Amino acid sequence: SQKIEQNSEALNIQEGKTATLTCNYTNYSPAYLQWYRQDPGRGPVFLLLIRENEKEKRKERLKVTFDTTLKQSLFHITASQPADSATYLCALDRNSGTYKYIFGTGTRLKVLA
Amino acid sequence: DADVTQTPRNRITKTGKRIMLECSQTKGHDRMYWYRQDPGLGLRLIYYSFDVKDINKGEISDGYSVSRQAQAKFSLSLESAIPNQTALYFCATSSTHGRGSGELFFGEGSRLTVL
Repeated sequence: SQKIEQNSEALNIQEGKTATLTCNYTNYSPAYLQWYRQDPGRGPVFLLLIRENEKEKRKERLKVTFDTTLKQSLFHITASQPADSATYLCALDRNSGTYKYIFGTGTRLKVLA
Repeated sequence: DADVTQTPRNRITKTGKRIMLECSQTKGHDRMYWYRQDPGLGLRLIYYSFDVKDINKGEISDGYSVSRQAQAKFSLSLESAIPNQTALYFCATSSTHGRGSGELFFGEGSRLTVL
């Protein structure tokens, strides 16, 4: 069956360190992979999109990698800050190009001051 | 004002009641979506609409119906609510025009409790 897996356990890191979150998928061939941030009681907010033919994408302190052979995306936050504490969701376009996104369950990140 | 507005934000109802959640957007996007979010299950797609005359079922459409009244409005109905429909519901929009690649813009959510 098709599945998207994110580490369901919370990730605690020290301020200033790099946070790395993982998104693994099986039985998908996505054309696009997105990362979202969600704060408690709020709607998800788009952060980054990476296409299947891109290895890496950066935006300020954020970096996303996409390995279609390993079926994995890594999401990095460098120089993390307490304000980065939130749940991060990955989402895949399940059928190439249809823009019908399927979400992982998210990983909760806590950055400790 | 928010680009994607959901009403009501919170609703408590009883089993068997009909409930409608409404979504309106000012982004001018053609695509609209309804998701529900449950702890441990993440966001699951209920219905989506690529334009006013195009409505499609998502992963979990049973027990739900939708109406796309205009490009800017997309409502979700629970004809006879049941307790396992207690969840946080999100409306989202996206555009296929320009250089966008379908990034989703979410509303603030509607928390529904069915007793």
